[in-house]
Amino acid sequence: AQSVTQLDSQVPVFEEAPVELRCNYSSSVSVYLFWYVQYPNQGLQLLLKYLSGSTLVKSINGFEAEFNKSQTSFHLRKPSVHISDTAEYFCAVRGLTGGGNKLTFGTGTQLKVEL
Amino acid sequence: NAGVTQTPKFRVLKTGQSMTLLCAQDMNHEYMYWYRQDPGMGLRLIHYSVGEGTTAKGEVPDGYNVSRLKKQNFLLGLESAAPSQTSVYFCASSDASGGYTFGSGTRLTVV
Repeated sequence: AQSVTQLDSQVPVFEEAPVELRCNYSSSVSVYLFWYVQYPNQGLQLLLKYLSGSTLVKSINGFEAEFNKSQTSFHLRKPSVHISDTAEYFCAVRGLTGGGNKLTFGTGTQLKVEL
Repeated sequence: NAGVTQTPKFRVLKTGQSMTLLCAQDMNHEYMYWYRQDPGMGLRLIHYSVGEGTTAKGEVPDGYNVSRLKKQNFLLGLESAAPSQTSVYFCASSDASGGYTFGSGTRLTVV
């Protein structure tokens, strides 16, 4: 079984400042890792994912995350945030084998970008 | 291309009433899921399906039933609604790579 910890429930940041949203996972098997974003009153949208290969993955809107196996982390970063990045961000994990492709989600981090 | 469509978007039930939430996907995905989202608890898996005619229990299955008679549809039923089932329900589907496509959610209030 897998679990995900997002320690920060809320992260306030000023526009154009950098941000890091933390994600740590626990698993007895190799994993795939995901970040999803949820805007108010909408469903979740895939932001980026790590399946294999380069441990640094990037999204089209400037976010990036790095898979660190030794620290069991997959932190999300952006060097300069915009007001439109205000949303809730969920980290998720699934095991490589079996389990019906089930994702286990963290409790989410609310990113609030202020002027 | 609609992706994943959930109906209804909003519903208010009285305690003890029953209802069915419908999820439809047009991406030919094998896997489908029902999650509930509650403040501070993230998303919790209720039931899932790995293909037409199959269903399996997730993390919080009590009080819910599901059916997957057709590959594109995944139904979530509440036989006797309770206030604890007040939540936002999300359906999702995925292919073998595991990336999910979510519906826009159903906001259910049980009074």
